[in-house]
Amino acid sequence: GEDVEQSLFLSVREGDSSVINCTYTDSSSTYLYWYKQEPGAGLQLLTYIFSNMDMKQDQRLTVLLNKKDKHLSLRIADTQTGDSAIYFCAERGHTGGFKTIFGAGTRLFVKA
Amino acid sequence: EAGVTQFPSHSVIEKGQTVTLRCDPISGHDNLYWYRRVMGKEIKFLLHFVKESKQDESGMPNNRFLAERTGGTYSTLKVQPAELEDSGVYFCASSQSQGSMNTEAFFGQGTRLTVV
Repeated sequence: GEDVEQSLFLSVREGDSSVINCTYTDSSSTYLYWYKQEPGAGLQLLTYIFSNMDMKQDQRLTVLLNKKDKHLSLRIADTQTGDSAIYFCAERGHTGGFKTIFGAGTRLFVKA
Repeated sequence: EAGVTQFPSHSVIEKGQTVTLRCDPISGHDNLYWYRRVMGKEIKFLLHFVKESKQDESGMPNNRFLAERTGGTYSTLKVQPAELEDSGVYFCASSQSQGSMNTEAFFGQGTRLTVV
């Protein structure tokens, strides 16, 4: 079945850039997402990219998609302590019947 | 506009008891999804309603789980009898249209279920 993998932890210093990586297996993925979950809160959609794009930038966030390698990354520029959260990579496509398939989440620690 | 709301936010029950989780989707959203995250693992799909019909329930773990969406509005997810491995965070999401270009699914805050 479809699978989404991402590293579990990332630690960066405040002001540095964070890069969270994700790989997926579904070649029919149409939409790829990054969700953020802060402590005690629900899932917040940060950004998404269509599979026919290779890059999307939104303020401090840059999403890169390498469709050939099925690799997605999220770069957060000038990382702040408020960016500390769990970041979930997710994909949605025909193979999965358009249900969203999530990775296990990457916990980002930002050190002051 | 109210977002997706889930109730309760936390529930602690004993093994063998019954628990019912509720989700109120965003008004007008036909699609409603249930997901579960067991500690440290990925968020796994449980099932998908389109209005009151179950479109896909392939992720339901076993017959101890029963989801309903009578009238196509709010949904309930009942676990009976609960087992220790059912502990986790249960998320609900809703979206407007599966075929639309805007495919954002809005998530609730989740219900943290602990079975002791």
